[in-house]
Amino acid sequence: AQSVTQLGSHVSVSEGALVLLRCNYSSSVPPYLFWYVQYPNQGLQLLLKYTTGATLVKGINGFEAEFKKSETSFHLTKPSAHMSDAAEYFCAVSEKSSGDKLTFGTGTRLAVRP
Amino acid sequence: NAGVTQTPKFRVLKTGQSMTLLCAQDMNHEYMYWYRQDPGMGLRLIHYSVGEGTTAKGEVPDGYNVSRLKKQNFLLGLESAAPSQTSVYFCASSTTGATNEKLFFGSGTQLSVL
Repeated sequence: AQSVTQLGSHVSVSEGALVLLRCNYSSSVPPYLFWYVQYPNQGLQLLLKYTTGATLVKGINGFEAEFKKSETSFHLTKPSAHMSDAAEYFCAVSEKSSGDKLTFGTGTRLAVRP
Repeated sequence: NAGVTQTPKFRVLKTGQSMTLLCAQDMNHEYMYWYRQDPGMGLRLIHYSVGEGTTAKGEVPDGYNVSRLKKQNFLLGLESAAPSQTSVYFCASSTTGATNEKLFFGSGTQLSVL
């Protein structure tokens, strides 16, 4: 069965600092991996996804993530945090055999300090 | 372009009452999903539909029923509400499934069961 684990339910960084949100996955077949972001009182929006091909994936708002099969990881990074990045971030995994269903992690709330 | 619209946005029920949550999308999407979001647990799939007239169970289907009589609408019903169903409910849709295409989310329904 597919699953994802997000390390750290809360992360706080200073504006301009590196953002690193951790995600490890478990999957019996090559996974499809996603990062979604949820701003306050809104639904989720797709940041980026990895399906096949290049393991470094670039998304919106300057975020990127790298698929590392040997580490079963898909960590999300951004070189320089902005105040507007404050939100909750969800890692998700999907397998073709799962009927196109996503399994979400428990989320990481990112706070950005001035 | 409204995207995914959920009705109502807030609701308070007493234990044992019934209600229906409505999700409407205007993007001609085939796939629709109902998730619940609880603190520390991320999003969990309740039911989903891969097309008009079809429904399937997700991870936490007990206590809920769904119908997809029209392609643009996906209804989530609670026949006899319980306090454990207090949650934020999100509807989502996609063209060809969550693996290949991003999910479009509604803004959520906050449900409290007393």
